[in-house]
Amino acid sequence: EIVMTQSPATLSVSPGERATLSCRASQSVSSNLAWYQQKPGQAPRLLIYGASTRATGIPARFSGSGSGTEFTLTISSLQSEDFAVYYCQQYNNWWTFGQGTKVEIK
Amino acid sequence: EVQLVESGGGLVQPGGSLRLSCAASGFTVSSNYMSWVRQAPGKGLEWVSVIYSGGSTYYADSVKGRFTISRHNSKNTLYLQMNSLRAEDTAVYYCARETLPPGGATRGWFDPWGQGTLVTVSS
Repeated sequence: EIVMTQSPATLSVSPGERATLSCRASQSVSSNLAWYQQKPGQAPRLLIYGASTRATGIPARFSGSGSGTEFTLTISSLQSEDFAVYYCQQYNNWWTFGQGTKVEIK
Repeated sequence: EVQLVESGGGLVQPGGSLRLSCAASGFTVSSNYMSWVRQAPGKGLEWVSVIYSGGSTYYADSVKGRFTISRHNSKNTLYLQMNSLRAEDTAVYYCARETLPPGGATRGWFDPWGQGTLVTVSS
């Protein structure tokens, strides 16, 4: 099983600031990586697939990068609606998720 | 509009059974790869099971032999039959459609997701 490790567990950021979230795979997943956003009481929402392609309707302030085992999700200027938990998911070998990074208001 | 709506969750005793449903609209379940993903209270996401358009099914080791995924084509609905339930199966269960990348890939990302249905296994 490919283990996905996200860091940090919690990120405290002020509105308007940049947030950088990391995701590491225990073995290469190529670019077969997605990012999801989840707000309390809601289902996950797809943000990024293919490591760097934004899903339909996702604002340009969200960007993804990386390949192999190291990936990054960047939110360029945090808006109030961006405070949530973010999960990475690999789909190179079945599916596994990271444990999540909570982005909270500083 | 593409939409998934789960139902069937509830409180069940250890060792009991429950069947979850996921009604789809805006697309055809039988033409897509469909998965169940669960989330224990306050925890992360865990893939549970998939059914491919050809009918093949696969399960996470944690549920193999106890859960069965299926679909009803005319109702455009996905199911998850859960037997021999354990306390550790307590979670919100989501259904999701898988989208494959171009070029012959065998797995992809999940979009959309249903709103989830809560299963609580407790005496």
